Amino acid sequence: DSGVTQTPKHLITATGQRVTLRCSPRSGDLSVYWYQQSLDQGLQFLIQYYNGEERAKGNILERFSAQQFPDLHSELNLSSLELGDSALYFCASSPNRGISYNEQFFGPGTRLTVL
Amino acid sequence: EDKVVQSPLSLVVHEGDTVTLNCSYEVTNFRSLLWYKQEKKAPTFLFMLTSSGIEKKSGRLSSILDKKELFSILNITATQTGDSAVYLCAVFGNEKLTFGTGTRLTIIP
Repeated sequence: DSGVTQTPKHLITATGQRVTLRCSPRSGDLSVYWYQQSLDQGLQFLIQYYNGEERAKGNILERFSAQQFPDLHSELNLSSLELGDSALYFCASSPNRGISYNEQFFGPGTRLTVL
Repeated sequence: EDKVVQSPLSLVVHEGDTVTLNCSYEVTNFRSLLWYKQEKKAPTFLFMLTSSGIEKKSGRLSSILDKKELFSILNITATQTGDSAVYLCAVFGNEKLTFGTGTRLTIIP
C-alpha cells in the first residue's frame, strides 16, 4: 500500500459524458501527478501539480483538466468522453517539486470504461 | 519527440535464471531514468539513476546507466516467481516523464 488513494476504483460511463477522478496523496507529499495507461499506448504522463499549482504538462487533451486543492487532494476531470478514453488512470505523489529527482508513489488506479 | 524503447518485449525464464532488461532512450535535456515494477495494478518504484556508471543495487536487483550510449540495464539474479511482472523504464527530460512500453517478465517455477 503506497499511501496514495484513488476513487472510484471502477467507472463505467457513456460517450459524451463527463467524469471526475479523485486522488489523495501520501501524507506530506506536495506533488501530485496524473497518468493514463491504455493497452495500445502504455503509460502516459498527463499533468503534475505542486502545492496547488500546475507544474508540468504532458500529453493531456484539452477535454481533460485537473486541479489540486488546498488540502492537496487532486481531481482529474474528463469531459466529452470518447471510446478511446477508456483506460486505467493513475495518480502518483512525491514530496518535492521536481519530478526527476524523486520517486513517485502510485495509487491503485481508476479504471474508466466508456461505452 | 522523446522516445524510450525497452527490450525484449517479453521474456520467459525458469526460476533461478538471471535476466537482463534493456532500456534505450532519445530524450533532450535528460535529467534522470527510473525503473518501475508493475504487477497487477500500480507501478512500484525500483531505482532512479542520474549518473553514468554508478550501479544501484537492491537485493537481487541492480541497474546501471550509460549516458554516453543512452541506455540502462536492469539485472535480476536468481529469479523467483514473485519477480513476474511488467518492468517499466521511464526517462525524465523536457519537464516530463516518458515511459517505455515495458518488458513482460514471466518466471516459470
